[in-house]
Amino acid sequence: GENVEQHPSTLSVQEGDSAVIKCTYSDSASNYFPWYKQELGKRPQLIIDIRSNVGEKKDQRIAVTLNKTAKHFSLHITETQPEDSAVYFCAASMRTGGFKTIFGAGTRLFVKA
Amino acid sequence: EAQVTQNPRYLITVTGKKLTVTCSQNMNHEYMSWYRQDPGLGLRQIYYSMNVEVTDKGDVPEGYKVSRKEKRNFPLILESPSPNQTSLYFCASSQRTDTQYFGPGTRLTVL
Repeated sequence: GENVEQHPSTLSVQEGDSAVIKCTYSDSASNYFPWYKQELGKRPQLIIDIRSNVGEKKDQRIAVTLNKTAKHFSLHITETQPEDSAVYFCAASMRTGGFKTIFGAGTRLFVKA
Repeated sequence: EAQVTQNPRYLITVTGKKLTVTCSQNMNHEYMSWYRQDPGLGLRQIYYSMNVEVTDKGDVPEGYKVSRKEKRNFPLILESPSPNQTSLYFCASSQRTDTQYFGPGTRLTVL
């Protein structure tokens, strides 16, 4: 069946460094790729998303890149801060013909001050 | 205030005792979903609904039922809960198939 693989499962960086999280998906019909941040004990919240007709999107310190040929997309966080510490989930879904959404297993990011 | 609410937030029950977790949104969203979150597995979609009376299976629908009789409500029903359904459950809603807004979660323990 469809799946989304996310790496790494844990990432530890020094404050101010960059963090990169990578995901690959299997369903070539996927055309919407959101990233969610989940702080401890809280609900997931969308931080950025990208649609299949775009290769890159940036929002301040956060950027996402998409390579449809390789079925690969990545989250880039620059100038990391302690408040970026959380679990990050990537997801892939079809925006037409249904609403099936597959999430990656998550990456726990630690930003050390 | 725009929000997704779930009730109850915490529930401990026993095997086989039917239960319902309610989900309600006040944003007039068409799309709603139920997910379960388990350590190391991320969020897995149980069921989703694209509008009133339109529902479909997600990745892990076995042992669950849903209904969408009104646009704002999307209850999750466990007819005969089992211990492997012990999990953290999230309801989510969205306008069309993009940004999903999650509820606060329901932590379910089945003994």
